[in-house]
Amino acid sequence: DADVTQTPRNRITKTGKRIMLECSQTKGHDRMYWYRQDPGLGLRLIYYSFDVKDINKGEISDGYSVSRQAQAKFSLSLESAIPNQTALYFCATSDIMNTEAFFGQGTRLTVV
Amino acid sequence: GQSLEQPSEVTAVEGAIVQINCTYQTSGFYGLSWYQQHDGGAPTFLSYNALDGLEETGRFSSFLSRSDSYGYLLLQELQMKDSASYFCAVRGGGGYNKLIFGAGTRLAVHP
Repeated sequence: DADVTQTPRNRITKTGKRIMLECSQTKGHDRMYWYRQDPGLGLRLIYYSFDVKDINKGEISDGYSVSRQAQAKFSLSLESAIPNQTALYFCATSDIMNTEAFFGQGTRLTVV
Repeated sequence: GQSLEQPSEVTAVEGAIVQINCTYQTSGFYGLSWYQQHDGGAPTFLSYNALDGLEETGRFSSFLSRSDSYGYLLLQELQMKDSASYFCAVRGGGGYNKLIFGAGTRLAVHP
């Protein structure tokens, strides 16, 4: 089993719909991240969490929300999806030293 | 805030050596990491530098100069399988110590 699992792997949704992307990890790490990847723009930080009670906005949090349900689970929600949220989304975890991040396989989201 | 600059594309031939540079600006700095991502795949960790100097891991080496806010990834004896995107990432941002990535450098290795 993968250390970091994202579901779904692919999703097509309509404008205005609510969608949730889920992430679970078996690394036992406290730190979890959600990134968005667009061609030529690298990985941009949406939200990050350092424990269940600690949620922080990243560079591009507008239009997104998150929930840290447990140490191992961190979900990303788009309350009302719009086409420019079409992207590849990655969840990642790291330990407290934050020297190495482990990524899920990504969720390719298309908003039509 | 934080920003990282790296070249968008690099081309090299098999067996050659290539260097990918990264300059950064950050409020609070703890270290510089490098990640590799093949098309369709997830980023995977390559190296981490917290202190000035060179870290070597097999064919890959990474260098950091904190005073110059600069680092590089050196890939030796290039192989076709090294064709991928390479990202530098800063561990910084003050007390929250978050990971911020550059836009990535696409490396194409040709025969």
